[in-house]
Amino acid sequence: DTGVSQDPRHKITKRGQNVTFRCDPISEHNRLYWYRQTLGQGPEFLTYFQNEAQLEKSRLLSDRFSAERPKGSFSTLEIQRTEQGDSAMYLCASSLERSEAFFGQGTRLTVV
Amino acid sequence: DQQVKQNSPSLSVQEGRISILNCDYTNSMFDYFLWYKKYPAEGPTFLISISSIKDKNEDGRFTVFLNKSAKHLSLHIVPSQPGDSAVYFCAASGYSGGGADGLTFGKGTHLIIQP
Repeated sequence: DTGVSQDPRHKITKRGQNVTFRCDPISEHNRLYWYRQTLGQGPEFLTYFQNEAQLEKSRLLSDRFSAERPKGSFSTLEIQRTEQGDSAMYLCASSLERSEAFFGQGTRLTVV
Repeated sequence: DQQVKQNSPSLSVQEGRISILNCDYTNSMFDYFLWYKKYPAEGPTFLISISSIKDKNEDGRFTVFLNKSAKHLSLHIVPSQPGDSAVYFCAASGYSGGGADGLTFGKGTHLIIQP
């Protein structure tokens, strides 16, 4: 296993368009997290899954954001009607129970 | 309201000397602390962690110290090497409102190792 994989690495989209990102966690990890990082800030927690169940959502996750993890494997994060303020690095991480989380390389979103 | 604070945006240390990175937290519900290292255009890489039941954890050149009464932790790197130049994030986990098991991160400290 090569670690957490995210696709795409970069995405440029026009304001108002929908975008979807994919994350493939480390295969034996049952927990999957999404974070967002903007310039000069640390990653900010968005949501997390234990297997296929979405157990926690940050208030940062507006109703334009939705995340799924069908069958408890890969996860997708969709942003509808993108806004310029959505421009950020979107990071996915996975962990085995409550242990250290391993991060992917992120998807950099630019909304123009 | 920042629950995890790294008050030094940058730190410059000579190669071979000790690097000390500091982190303060405000939420007493945090019970697990981690340090991550990040290079540009990459995701954070896990370095070392410590549970609140301990006050020290060591892994090779990296040692993390936890002072619960002061709500303070520090990462010591000795000896510092050029490859240690990166941004270091302190993170905490617990029932903090940031997600029961999600991590709350500081803003990071940019460590620069000078030859």
